[in-house]
Amino acid sequence: QVQLVESGGGVVQPGRSLRLSCAASGFTVSSYAMHWARRAPGKGLEWVALILKDGSDKYYADSVKGRFTISRDNPKNTLYLQMNSLRAEDTAVYYCAKESDGLDIWGQGTMVTVSS
Amino acid sequence: QAGLTQPPSVSKGLRQTATLTCTGSSHNVGNEGPAWLQQYQGHPPKLLSYRNNKRPSGISERFSASRSGNTASLTITGLQPEDEADYYCSAWDSSLNVWVFGGGTKLTVL
Repeated sequence: QVQLVESGGGVVQPGRSLRLSCAASGFTVSSYAMHWARRAPGKGLEWVALILKDGSDKYYADSVKGRFTISRDNPKNTLYLQMNSLRAEDTAVYYCAKESDGLDIWGQGTMVTVSS
Repeated sequence: QAGLTQPPSVSKGLRQTATLTCTGSSHNVGNEGPAWLQQYQGHPPKLLSYRNNKRPSGISERFSASRSGNTASLTITGLQPEDEADYYCSAWDSSLNVWVFGGGTKLTVL
């Protein structure tokens, strides 16, 4: 069935890096626009990044621009989020989502905690 | 980045009707209409409706979306205890070239 599974979260010190993965099954990531979003503890959903289906264009929230990079590996059918220069305010559950008339398929999320 | 505006909380009684609002601009809500998502604590969001107020398969007819200008609404009829959740509107902002979420509305079913 159509599914997204995130991995790669964990506890990391401020200023360090982390790469999140989002493995897709039941569909091809290169056929859809794909997103990353997050929800910090006690806060609402926040959009993070988008890669268009042809991979040519990528868009980022101001809060992560210049620090995070969205990418994908088509043969592995996997979406990535490279997160550099992490800050305490990046602590959140990170979700990947497929876009098809709205964000219709979401992964279960992976927790990232930035703390010294 | 400008987001979409939602009331932080709405409370309604069992079997009543709740209408959640989402206000944006002509570049997002007023463009193609937002999508609406439901999220329970500790779970991923779930799509309830998308552009042009369509419902994905499997979503109850108790959930219906509408839009007038730059304000969109999600109406939930016959409220049930399981409708108690956080609800978000979301849309692409064609001016800023970013995806935007509303701050979310916590729906309480009394």
